[in-house]
Amino acid sequence: SQQGEEDPQALSIQEGENATMNCSYKTSINNLQWYRQNSGRGLVHLILIRSNEREKHSGRLRVTLDTSKKSSSLLITASRAADTASYFCATDAWAAGNKLTFGGGTRVLVKP
Amino acid sequence: GAGVSQSPSNKVTEKGKDVELRCDPISGHTALYWYRQSLGQGLEFLIYFQGNSAPDKSGLPSDRFSAERTGGSVSTLTIQRTQQEDSAVYLCASSLTSGVQETQYFGPGTRLLVL
Repeated sequence: SQQGEEDPQALSIQEGENATMNCSYKTSINNLQWYRQNSGRGLVHLILIRSNEREKHSGRLRVTLDTSKKSSSLLITASRAADTASYFCATDAWAAGNKLTFGGGTRVLVKP
Repeated sequence: GAGVSQSPSNKVTEKGKDVELRCDPISGHTALYWYRQSLGQGLEFLIYFQGNSAPDKSGLPSDRFSAERTGGSVSTLTIQRTQQEDSAVYLCASSLTSGVQETQYFGPGTRLLVL
C-alpha cells in the first residue's frame, strides 16, 4: 500500500495562477521529497524537506511539512505551461530502510 | 555528465516469455533502485542495491522477478514467464550513497507491454 496519498488527483489551472497540491502519509518519516514526472517517464527531483523542517523554498516552489498532521503541500507560484506534469511526494522512514514510498501523484495541467 | 540510462525504451513481449531490462546508473553512484509504475499510478518499490551488500528484495512481487548488479554498476531486472499484469513502466534510479537524504536520480524508464 502507498504511504502517501495525494490530493487532488488532477488539477487544471491557467498560466500565471498558483497550483497547490497536498500529500498525506501514515507513518513517521525522516524526509519527504517531491518529484515531477513528464509524460510518464523519468522522475526529476524537486525538493527535499526534513522532518524537523516546516517550510522550504526553491525558486517558484514552496513546500510545507506538518508532521503533527502527517501532511505536506507543494505550491507552484506563477505557473507556466512547462509546469504541466505529474507531481509525486515520496517519503523515507527508518522502518522502511532507504526505500522511498511514493504517493499516487497529482496531474497538473497548466493552460496557456 | 551522463544521467541514468535504461534500455530498451520500450518492450513488447508475449505472455510467458522472459524479459531483461537494463539500467546503467550514474558513474560513482553506489546505490541503485528499481521501481514499477503501472498506468496512472505512483511508483512501487521493487529492489535496492547498495554497494556489495545483499540487495533488499522486499518489493519484488513474485519469484518471477529477479535482479542483479554486476561489478557494482550495471543492473539487470529479469521477469520470467511474463504475465499481462507485469505491463508497466519500470524505472531505475541511482544515488551517490544510500543515505536517507540522498537524492535519487531516475532514468527514463522501460515501458513493458505484455500481450
